[in-house]
Amino acid sequence: EDKVVQSPLSLVVHEGDTVTLNCSYEVTNFRSLLWYKQEKKAPTFLFMLTSSGIEKKSGRLSSILDKKELFSILNITATQTGDSAVYLCAVVIIQGAQKLVFGQGTRLTINP
Amino acid sequence: DTAVSQTPKYLVTQMGNDKSIKCEQNLGHDTMYWYKQDSKKFLKIMFSYNNKELIINETVPNRFSPKSPDKAHLNLHINSLELGDSAVYFCASSPTVKTGGGYTFGSGTRLTVV
Repeated sequence: EDKVVQSPLSLVVHEGDTVTLNCSYEVTNFRSLLWYKQEKKAPTFLFMLTSSGIEKKSGRLSSILDKKELFSILNITATQTGDSAVYLCAVVIIQGAQKLVFGQGTRLTINP
Repeated sequence: DTAVSQTPKYLVTQMGNDKSIKCEQNLGHDTMYWYKQDSKKFLKIMFSYNNKELIINETVPNRFSPKSPDKAHLNLHINSLELGDSAVYFCASSPTVKTGGGYTFGSGTRLTVV
C-alpha cells in the first residue's frame, strides 16, 4: 500500500528558531513530491520536488528530496508566528491516473 | 476571482439525509478531485475526473456519488448521511493528468452530521 509518513506530528518552537519537518514515503510509480501549508482552510502550495538533491527555496523556506532514501525535508529558518500551520507532504503517483497520497501532516506552532 | 470554489462552506445535517456539495474551477484545468480530510487532518482522495470521465474511484461507500456535468464542475452527492461522514471535503483541480503538480484546492466544505 502506498504510504507517506511525516514527522514529527506536532512541533512547538519559539519565534526565531529553525525547524526541520520530515517526510518519508513508500510508493509505487513516484512522480513528484509536494509540500503544502494549511492554515484554516485550503492547503496552499509551497514546493514541488521531482529530482534528488536539488534544493528549492522560497524566502525562509527550503526543501530537498532524496529519491534514493525516499524522503524529503522542509526547513523553515527564523520562524515567525505566521508560520504556525499544518504542513502537509504529498506524493504524486501514477496508477493509471495521477493522484496525491498525503502524509498525516505536521502541526507547527510558533510561540512569540 | 476564486480559482476553485466550493459551496456550501458549512453544512450541518441530520443522519439519514441526502446532501450535495458543489465545486467549480475557472482555471481551465482538465482534472478535478474530491478529497476527504478527517479530524486528524489526514487528507485522502475519494474521486478524480478527467474531462468529465471518472478515472479514480477509491474505496468509498456507494452512498457517495460524484457527478461532472462539464470539466469545470465536479459535484459530490451523499445519500443516507452517517455520523462518520463528518469531515472537511476538499475539491481540487490540476491542469492535466500526469503533470506531477499544479494542484489547486478549494477552501473546503465542513460537513457535520448530527
